[in-house]
Amino acid sequence: QQQVKQSPQSLIVQKGGISIINCAYENTAFDYFPWYQQFPGKGPALLIAIRPDVSEKKEGRFTISFNKSAKQFSLHIMDSQPGDSATYFCAASDSGYALNFGKGTSLLVTP
Amino acid sequence: EAGVVQSPRYKIIEKKQPVAFWCNPISGHNTLYWYRQNLGQGPELLIRYENEEAVDDSQLPKDRFSAERLKGVDSTLKIQPAELGDSAVYLCASSRGENTEAFFGQGTRLTVV
Repeated sequence: QQQVKQSPQSLIVQKGGISIINCAYENTAFDYFPWYQQFPGKGPALLIAIRPDVSEKKEGRFTISFNKSAKQFSLHIMDSQPGDSATYFCAASDSGYALNFGKGTSLLVTP
Repeated sequence: EAGVVQSPRYKIIEKKQPVAFWCNPISGHNTLYWYRQNLGQGPELLIRYENEEAVDDSQLPKDRFSAERLKGVDSTLKIQPAELGDSAVYLCASSRGENTEAFFGQGTRLTVV
């Protein structure tokens, strides 16, 4: 059972554009929501994470928006660059448990 | 700071053969995870350790998979016998504790033929 549902499966964005990836969850006990970036042949690496006491977190060009009532969160990549082309995974966990990952979004940023 | 180290990077075996993967977590990280990542999918937890204790192995297929973390540091994951459906990337990760950043190794890509 997929505890975190991620969309879209793939995304193509022009350089300089905004990339938006969405995730939804059901378990209201989740209290940690990270986004991971994975390049081919590498393990996932933490990009940015949020906890439910805030609705938005920004780090450079990356922003997480969090809607607790809707049980949704999203990743926005501003001024997308070709180097951002990778697979992005949202995840969620609650205290005492491991991360539950979405199925991933393959992002391609075209020059 | 050295990252999570996994070996081997690649492994090709025939079905019904045994295989083992090794993981050295980041120094000081008490929590260690083994995940399996199928092609085009997100990682799925197999087992989680807190120090040397396996605290969540509910998703580990115990008929053929086993894991250990001796002395609460390095860990090995074993499959015996391997099946075609076990072909995947096996990822090890470690963290300082619950709900903290998990650092992943590069993974071991297993191909069962």
